[in-house]
Amino acid sequence: GQQLNQSPQSMFIQEGEDVSMNCTSSSIFNTWLWYKQDPGEGPVLLIALYKAGELTSNGRLTAQFGITRKDSFLNISASIPSDVGIYFCAGPGSSNYKLTFGKGTLLTVNP
Amino acid sequence: DAGITQSPRYKITETGRQVTLMCHQTWSHSYMFWYRQDLGHGLRLIYYSAAADITDKGEVPDGYVVSRSKTENFPLTLESATRSQTSVYFCASQGLAPDTQYFGPGTRLTVL
Repeated sequence: GQQLNQSPQSMFIQEGEDVSMNCTSSSIFNTWLWYKQDPGEGPVLLIALYKAGELTSNGRLTAQFGITRKDSFLNISASIPSDVGIYFCAGPGSSNYKLTFGKGTLLTVNP
Repeated sequence: DAGITQSPRYKITETGRQVTLMCHQTWSHSYMFWYRQDLGHGLRLIYYSAAADITDKGEVPDGYVVSRSKTENFPLTLESATRSQTSVYFCASQGLAPDTQYFGPGTRLTVL
């Protein structure tokens, strides 16, 4: 089946630093989604991307839909302690409703 | 309140026992999903359902059974629990578009 390779697996940063993470696929995705999972909770959708080359922001978060449609990037600027959690990329792939998820990036922010 | 709920939130059981995890959504979403989350594996799809009485296997279905007699409910049953099924289980529901998938708060299951 389709797989999403997400990197890095984990990051440990200082408060105020910027963060970048990415997701790649061997096949084309028509939609890219980025979720965040706070400790002890379910994932919550942060950003959805629908067109190749699209750049979308949500507060301090910015995500991009790669031109090849096989990758996506998420950037977090000026990190704060509440940014701690696991960030997942996801996409519907060949099915319009079943999502394939990356394995996640665990972000730790040191105050 | 509208949303998606799971029960119980925490469960400890013993090997060989039957366990049922409940999931309820109030949006009348057609699609519902069960995932398990384990360290190093991310979210893996167990079973999914496109509508009432329509279910299908996901990536890791062995040892699990689902049913969906009503649109709003999607219970997951472990017929004979094993230690390898110790995990955090998430239910999700989704409307027509992929960016409408919402997750429940999860059930942490421990099999002793």
